[in-house]
Parts: sequence; C-alpha cells; structure tokens
Amino acid sequence: GENVEQHPSTLSVQEGDSAVIKCTYSDSASNYFPWYKQELGKGPQLIIDIRSNVGEKKDQRIAVTLNKTAKHFSLHITETQPEDSAVYFCAASNYNQGGKLIFGQGTELSVKP
Amino acid sequence: NAGVTQTPKFRVLKTGQSMTLLCAQDMNHEYMYWYRQDPGMGLRLIHYSVGEGTTAKGEVPDGYNVSRLKKQNFLLGLESAAPSQTSVYFCASSYGLLYEQYFGPGTRLTVT
Repeated sequence: GENVEQHPSTLSVQEGDSAVIKCTYSDSASNYFPWYKQELGKGPQLIIDIRSNVGEKKDQRIAVTLNKTAKHFSLHITETQPEDSAVYFCAASNYNQGGKLIFGQGTELSVKP
Repeated sequence: NAGVTQTPKFRVLKTGQSMTLLCAQDMNHEYMYWYRQDPGMGLRLIHYSVGEGTTAKGEVPDGYNVSRLKKQNFLLGLESAAPSQTSVYFCASSYGLLYEQYFGPGTRLTVT
C-alpha cells in the first residue's frame, strides 16, 4: 500500500521568511496530493491540493510542486506570518485505493515575530 | 451550515467499557471517514463509507465498528475499549473521491 514520508517534523522560521515542507510517496498510481493545516485544538483544513496532471499550483503565498518521476511533492509558504504557525500534513491518494487519504506524519511550523 | 460536528468532545473510559462516537454533516456529502490522530503518526483511517448503508475498512480498523444508517450520520463504536485506543478521533466528509475532506473538531478519548 501507499506510504507517505514527511520532513521535517518541526520547522522554525522568522516572520517574513519562506518555509518548505517536503513529502515523498511510494505508490506511483497516486494522483491526488492535498495539504492540510491543523491549528491547535481544531480539525485539519485543506489549504491547497494538486493533481498529477500538473507540476505546480499557487494560491497567494502558498504553492505546491509535484515531481511524479521522483515521487515527491513540496509545500512552499512565502512571506510567513505568525498566523501560519500550525501543524501541516501532506497526503496522497488514488482511485485504486478507493480515494483513501494516506497522511504524512506532520510538520509543526513555528513562525517567530 | 454547521459543517461536520462530533459528539462528545471529550470522554474518559475504563478498559473494557463501550461507547459510540457520533459524526454528523449537513453538506449532503456521500463520503464519510473516521480517523485517529496520535503524536508523530499523522492521521490514520479507521473506517469509511461511500454512501448510506455502506462501510469499509481503512488502515487501522481492529477494535472499531461503524454504521451509516443515515446519509448525514456516521457512527464509530468501541465495543471493549483498550488503553491503545487513547487518541483524538476525527470525522470527515467529502463530496466524492479525491475531493476536499471537511473535518470535524475532534473527540479526545482517554482509556484508563
């Protein structure tokens, strides 16, 4: 089955700097890669997703890149703000798995003012 | 819209006791999911449902049962709780396969 590895487990940046979180997946059939943000005491919330027919997607300060050959994808946050502090999860899925999401272990991002 | 709601928010059980967690969604979603979240392990899928009256096993189904008698509700049951089931449980729903999953606020369960 699918396995998703996420790095780093913790990341601390200064406000205004960029943050990058990386994930690798094992199943070459995976074709859907969402990123979720989880604030303390809340459920995860989708912030951006990418499908395997594109290599990059942007939404304001957030971007995701996908390298299907290497089977890895990354989340890029530019001009970080204190409110970006949270735990971020990557995930992978495909129709063969019934659309089930397999999550990475999570990255705790801390943005220091 | 309330989105996805979960009851209860907190619960403490003794080993061997049983309980049911209730998830409700008001978005008319076909798909519903139960996850557990443990430190350093991300979210792991317990069971899911692709429509009213259907259920299927996820990654970690042992010790849990589910039912989807109504489209808007998805119940997770623990028949005989064990300390290893101490976790935070999240319910989610989605319009379809490979669509955004909307998560509830979670239930923190402690089994002593």
